[in-house]
Amino acid sequence: NAGVTQTPKFHILKTGQSMTLQCAQDMNHGYLSWYRQDPGMGLRRIHYSVAAGITDKGEVPDGYNVSRSNTEDFPLRLESAAPSQTSVYFCASSYSRLAGGTTYEQYFGPGTRLTVT
Amino acid sequence: AQRVTQPEKLLSVFKGAPVELKCNYSYSGSPELFWYVQYSRQRLQLLLRHISRESIKGFTADLNKGETSFHLKKPFAQEEDSAMYYCALRNRDDKIIFGKGTRLHILP
Repeated sequence: NAGVTQTPKFHILKTGQSMTLQCAQDMNHGYLSWYRQDPGMGLRRIHYSVAAGITDKGEVPDGYNVSRSNTEDFPLRLESAAPSQTSVYFCASSYSRLAGGTTYEQYFGPGTRLTVT
Repeated sequence: AQRVTQPEKLLSVFKGAPVELKCNYSYSGSPELFWYVQYSRQRLQLLLRHISRESIKGFTADLNKGETSFHLKKPFAQEEDSAMYYCALRNRDDKIIFGKGTRLHILP
């Protein structure tokens, strides 16, 4: 199993440009989350999904969109990037209570380092 | 409000000395608590979960419901323990809350 994969690893974007960060998992996990990691702020959740077709907002959803058309993929879209979105982005997956999971540890992807100039 | 507090942003400890990373939570129900670790330029990974009551890499953490704490402890620090540590709570509604993290720096 590859676990949780993210692409790209690094990217530089100009203000106003759009881009999609990719996240995929092959562990048949129902619960997927996107986090951003900033110095002094820790991990903050952007959006999450407990199952295909269901998404919800986290702590800091503004400026980001997600979709969940299947179990494996959970892309994060920045429609019009701003310098405040410069961050390291992590995708994480786990079993969900909805699916009757009993262990809830999260598995994290390697991260995407995004710079918006 | 549900919250996870890690009061120390940075903790510096000499090699061989005991380590205690503090974590306090606020949640009215029975939470699931975790410690995650992130070594330099690596992904976050699970270190401990309170359900398992295990010791990983010499670290232990006991859930104290009276004090609403889940402090991470190790009797003798090693240089390879230098990392970022996050305490996390998962509630009955599957909401996940992370603390802001503590950077542990082991001094030689």
